[in-house]
Amino acid sequence: EDQVTQSPEALRLQEGESSSLNCSYTVSGLRGLFWYRQDPGKGPEFLFTLYSAGEEKEKERLKATLTKKESFLHITAPKPEDSATYLCAVPGQAGTALIFGKGTTLSVSS
Amino acid sequence: DVKVTQSSRYLVKRTGEKVFLECVQDMDHENMFWYRQDPGLGLRLIYFSYDVKMKEKGDIPEGYSVSREKKERFSLILESASTNQTSMYLCASLGGGPLHFGNGTRLTVT
Repeated sequence: EDQVTQSPEALRLQEGESSSLNCSYTVSGLRGLFWYRQDPGKGPEFLFTLYSAGEEKEKERLKATLTKKESFLHITAPKPEDSATYLCAVPGQAGTALIFGKGTTLSVSS
Repeated sequence: DVKVTQSSRYLVKRTGEKVFLECVQDMDHENMFWYRQDPGLGLRLIYFSYDVKMKEKGDIPEGYSVSREKKERFSLILESASTNQTSMYLCASLGGGPLHFGNGTRLTVT
């Protein structure tokens, strides 16, 4: 069964304190790994797509990396506005529908 | 930018009512999806559609049906609402890029 597991469930950081979020997956024939950000009361907003091991993508203070079994979302010197829930997802075997992890809720305090 | 619009942000319905959740996308996307999101359970796929009048069951279709009469519109129907269908409902569409979400409908069934 295809699965996506994210850890930790929740992460509290001080402003400027760098850290990483983990997304591990079990799916054969990976056809992309997707990262989303979700603010309270809103729909998920697309951040990155990674397709192959070793690939990296960056956007402001966020960098996503991919290995054969997991992906990391590195947050460098976070600010309070980075507080959100971060979701990762992979396409399931059946086709185009994404399977989501349960997310990591990040809180950054000043 | 892709725009996915869900007609209601908040809905309160009574047990047994028939409920319609509407979603419209403006990018001529073939694929559309309905997810529900619950604390501790993450996003779970209810139904998806890859073309007009076509539909496929997702992981939790029980108690729901869908309608796609026009390419831009995908409706989720709760035939007889129950309290365990209280949730955040998210619509998404997919073209050649990443999945794009609407801002969700928070449904409360009392």
